[in-house]
Amino acid sequence: EADIYQTPRYLVIGTGKKITLECSQTMGHDKMYWYQQDPGMELHLIHYSYGVNSTEKGDLSSESTVSRIRTEHFPLTLESARPSHTSQYLCASMAVGGLYGYTFGSGTRLTVV
Amino acid sequence: AQKITQTQPGMFVQEKEAVTLDCTYDTSDPSYGLFWYKQPSSGEMIFLIYQGSYDQQNATEGRYSLNFQKARKSANLVISASQLGDSAMYFCAMRDLSGGGADGLTFGKGTHLIIQP
Repeated sequence: EADIYQTPRYLVIGTGKKITLECSQTMGHDKMYWYQQDPGMELHLIHYSYGVNSTEKGDLSSESTVSRIRTEHFPLTLESARPSHTSQYLCASMAVGGLYGYTFGSGTRLTVV
Repeated sequence: AQKITQTQPGMFVQEKEAVTLDCTYDTSDPSYGLFWYKQPSSGEMIFLIYQGSYDQQNATEGRYSLNFQKARKSANLVISASQLGDSAMYFCAMRDLSGGGADGLTFGKGTHLIIQP
């Protein structure tokens, strides 16, 4: 049973639209992450957070932005979607001090037309 | 920088046979963790097994075992007695435990495993 939730599961949207991908977790984890995965490819870290008001860019440059106003919520925003943003976006969380206890959400499959 | 290499883009295996999925890694960090995840077509990431760089014994979790050869920088996943439900993408990943960097996981490109009846 998933304790980290991503919505929407699928999203098809037109070029130029602003979108927000939601990620919420009920485990009280301080660390949260966003990964981007192109079809058939590996995951790349694009954003992470160590707690409220903490956000950092990951290894892969992304035009998206994130915010962390509440511990349980880590939304990702694209101000103006483009076809190059078409990808799957996966959210994950982990407790501080955890070694391997990453919990992943089910992902959002974004298609920009 | 960390790097994960998975050299098998796809594999076909007969049901009930054992499977070895290859993974080599490169890192200059003295302390790191190695992971294997399963990703079915539905897209979620399912954690399978973890090996710490200082763990003395190879990790095992049910039908999954990790063949950790530190000197060769390899961390192959072995699935015993494969089942049809094992068909999925499998990703090897690593994490720096030394305290520097982004603290996220670095993934390989994955292996698409198909179990045939």
